[in-house]
Amino acid sequence: QSVLTQPPSVSAAPGQKVTISCSGSSSNIGNNYVSWYQQLPGTAPELLIYDNNKRPSGIPDRFSGSKSGTSATLGITGLQTGDEADYYCGTWDSSLSAVVFGGGTKLTVL
Amino acid sequence: EVQLVQSGAEVNTPGESLKISCKGSGYSFTNYWIAWVRHMPGKGLEWMGIIYPGDSDTRYSPSFQGHVTISADKSISTAYLQWYSLKASDSAMYYCARHEVAGTSIFDYWGQGTLVTVSS
Repeated sequence: QSVLTQPPSVSAAPGQKVTISCSGSSSNIGNNYVSWYQQLPGTAPELLIYDNNKRPSGIPDRFSGSKSGTSATLGITGLQTGDEADYYCGTWDSSLSAVVFGGGTKLTVL
Repeated sequence: EVQLVQSGAEVNTPGESLKISCKGSGYSFTNYWIAWVRHMPGKGLEWMGIIYPGDSDTRYSPSFQGHVTISADKSISTAYLQWYSLKASDSAMYYCARHEVAGTSIFDYWGQGTLVTVSS
């Protein structure tokens, strides 16, 4: 059971928009920055979003992040078949003194 | 170019010891933390701990403290994850990742992963 809660799967059609939620508590999301990772099949995770809403160099602006209270959201617009992947949220948990991740959300682009 | 290159897949029996590696290049290895992350089949990512190769400061997740040992040899820019007595439940993919600031969840470069299989 992961500390952060994500929906197991989401789906949408090419060109559409999808959002992935990540729910936590005051000891993690509520008081710390959130990161998001994309894991394409058979590859290592890649940093998509950090500090709640910042994108590393090379990440297209189709990807966005937001945070409100103890929840965070990843948004992806203009969906492409190449976006099919597992997406993970992560943050620091001040009570556990550890990085915690969500269980992952599998995105299917229909 | 920043790269983290991990050692190859391992197949071991329960009770054996194992040490896997992660070699960094393309950046100052001693100035960034290296994290280890476990990914079990069908499960989420799990942060195991981190090491700062510059001074070997090491911090463990409470879930992994006492079960694994993280170390580094800065002279060869390599970090290690070690088990002294493997269990079948240690079977997983293990990733190393570069980590600029302890106490955050920002891992900007990742190794390709090392698959560990423990089976009798």
